[in-house]
Amino acid sequence: AQSVTQLDSQVPVFEEAPVELRCNYSSSVSVYLFWYVQYPNQGLQLLLKYLSGSTLVKGINGFEAEFNKSQTSFHLRKPSVHISDTAEYFCAVQKNTGNQFYFGTGTSLTVIP
Amino acid sequence: EPEVTQTPSHQVTQMGQEVILRCVPISNHLYFYWYRQILGQKVEFLVSFYNNEISEKSEIFDDQFSVERPDGSNFTLKIRSTKLEDSAMYFCASCLDSNQPQHFGDGTRLSIL
Repeated sequence: AQSVTQLDSQVPVFEEAPVELRCNYSSSVSVYLFWYVQYPNQGLQLLLKYLSGSTLVKGINGFEAEFNKSQTSFHLRKPSVHISDTAEYFCAVQKNTGNQFYFGTGTSLTVIP
Repeated sequence: EPEVTQTPSHQVTQMGQEVILRCVPISNHLYFYWYRQILGQKVEFLVSFYNNEISEKSEIFDDQFSVERPDGSNFTLKIRSTKLEDSAMYFCASCLDSNQPQHFGDGTRLSIL
């Protein structure tokens, strides 16, 4: 079975500081990995994805994530956050043999001025 | 950029009534999904649909639920006899290929009274 763990439910960070949102997964098969962002009262917007190839993937809004197969992690990072980054962030995995997504419980990022 | 649209944005229904949530996926996409997010919880997979039939469904998707693609553009989720615990945000998603990122709509907030 697949599962996704986001270790931090809430992350407060000062503006222009770096941030890392952690995501670990478990799966018996190869997976694709995604990060989505959800702004208040909006849907899920894709930030970035890992399907294959380079383990460091860059996404929109200056975010990047690194796939670490040995640690089964896909942590999201940004070197300098902005007030507008305040949102809920979801990590998701998809089996490469199926098509449903498994989501983590989300991390609420609050950027403090 | 094309997007997935969902209507209505908020639906209030009496317990026991039927409700239909509507989605217009991105026009050239072939795979369609419904997810739900109970307040404060993670996004959960309900069902995936491809080639005019259900390809995967979760335990949540019991006999009270059904999906339909009645024409070339709409994708609907019907809940036959709603229960209080059906109150949630329901997200529709679509993608071009099963190993591509899913594009999500802004969701329909369903409130059961």
